[in-house]
Amino acid sequence: QSALAQPRSVSGSPGQSVTISCTGTSSDVGGYNYVSWYQQHPGKAPKLLIYDVSKRPSGVPDRFSGSKSGNTASLTISGLQAEDEADYYCCSYAGNYALVFGGGTKVTVL
Amino acid sequence: QLQLQESGPGLVKPSETLSLTCTVSGVSISSSSYYWGWIRQPPGKGLDWIGSIFYSGSTYYNPSLKSRVTMSVDTSKNQFSLKLSSVAAADTAVYYCARISRVGATDYWGQGTLVPVSS
Repeated sequence: QSALAQPRSVSGSPGQSVTISCTGTSSDVGGYNYVSWYQQHPGKAPKLLIYDVSKRPSGVPDRFSGSKSGNTASLTISGLQAEDEADYYCCSYAGNYALVFGGGTKVTVL
Repeated sequence: QLQLQESGPGLVKPSETLSLTCTVSGVSISSSSYYWGWIRQPPGKGLDWIGSIFYSGSTYYNPSLKSRVTMSVDTSKNQFSLKLSSVAAADTAVYYCARISRVGATDYWGQGTLVPVSS
């Protein structure tokens, strides 16, 4: 059960769009439509942004969207805002109630 | 409103057992179809799923930690607990308790508690 692969960092200017990839295997990301994404600000607990690949919990802005193709899931932040500067983690169901997280991506708003 | 709060010793010595408890308020652990779990984050690093437990006591552990992890639930106190044995410096982390759906969506998190492992 290896960590999912995410880019260490991505950046964009306010108003732009950024996309974070999350690559796993057919045993996790590719095998189930159960990928979730989390936002974490420094010193805070993670916050659920996306679940079941592309669903947003109540209260999450529609600027955040998720998708999946094969063994790679993606999170897109449209209309980047200063408060979006944070760490982002993907997580996939891996069967038998097991979960695997990505290594995290730092988003910088230029 | 559902809330989770971790509690436990602030420091653990190498080779000893780390013990944490999570107290859930706002919902009964046994009335939910959700699982309850532990996730940790070493300083400056990413998140790592430790394990999940259902109110019935069924447990599911990260294979990499399975030999050292024990989770339990006390429905009368609306709490669940984590024990991690034979700790080493690499187990130093912020430990979060959380509510987890059957397929992994973690929608409620505790604030986290930093547990250093040091002599």
